[in-house]
Amino acid sequence: GDSVTQMEGPVTLSEEAFLTINCTYTATGYPSLFWYVQYPGEGLQLLLKATKADDKGSNKGFEATYRKETTSFHLEKGSVQVSDSAVYFCALGMDSSYKLIFGSGTRLLVRP
Amino acid sequence: DTGVSQNPRHKITKRGQNVTFRCDPISEHNRLYWYRQTLGQGPEFLTYFQNEAQLEKSRLLSDRFSAERPKGSFSTLEIQRTEQGDSAMYLCASSPVNRGNTEAFFGQGTRLTVV
Repeated sequence: GDSVTQMEGPVTLSEEAFLTINCTYTATGYPSLFWYVQYPGEGLQLLLKATKADDKGSNKGFEATYRKETTSFHLEKGSVQVSDSAVYFCALGMDSSYKLIFGSGTRLLVRP
Repeated sequence: DTGVSQNPRHKITKRGQNVTFRCDPISEHNRLYWYRQTLGQGPEFLTYFQNEAQLEKSRLLSDRFSAERPKGSFSTLEIQRTEQGDSAMYLCASSPVNRGNTEAFFGQGTRLTVV
């Protein structure tokens, strides 16, 4: 069945470091891909999305490109801040089924 | 627009008791979803409503679980005869009908602890 695999965390970085969180997926058909972020004590917030191959989603300095050939949607940010510390979830959604399928999440800790 | 609201935020119950959670979606969002999130895992889909109709249910939703959405507005999720394995965060999300799952907005969740 459809699934999402994320790199395990925690990922610990110093402020202003470059961030990559890997995400790969398995799906029959052509899913939409998402990154959600969960700050401590809060619900999930949509960070960015891409709906077709080669699309690049971007928001708040984060970017991810939908790579069909490698079935990947890696999250990147050029310079992280302490305020980016959170859990990041990669997810896919199919038009044929309205549910989202999430990865297990990657915790990011940014130190000053 | 006040966002998706869930109540209560926290619930502690004894094993065998029944619990009910409420979700108020963003107004005019036709679609409403319930997910369950256990510690260290991503959310898992439980069920989905379009207006008042429950259109999809996960195998995770055992007979002890029931969800309703009367009048297509708020929704309730009831767990009967709770078990320790039911301890989790229960998340509700909603989306407008013309955007499918690409614009799902999540609430802050209800954390259930079964002792």
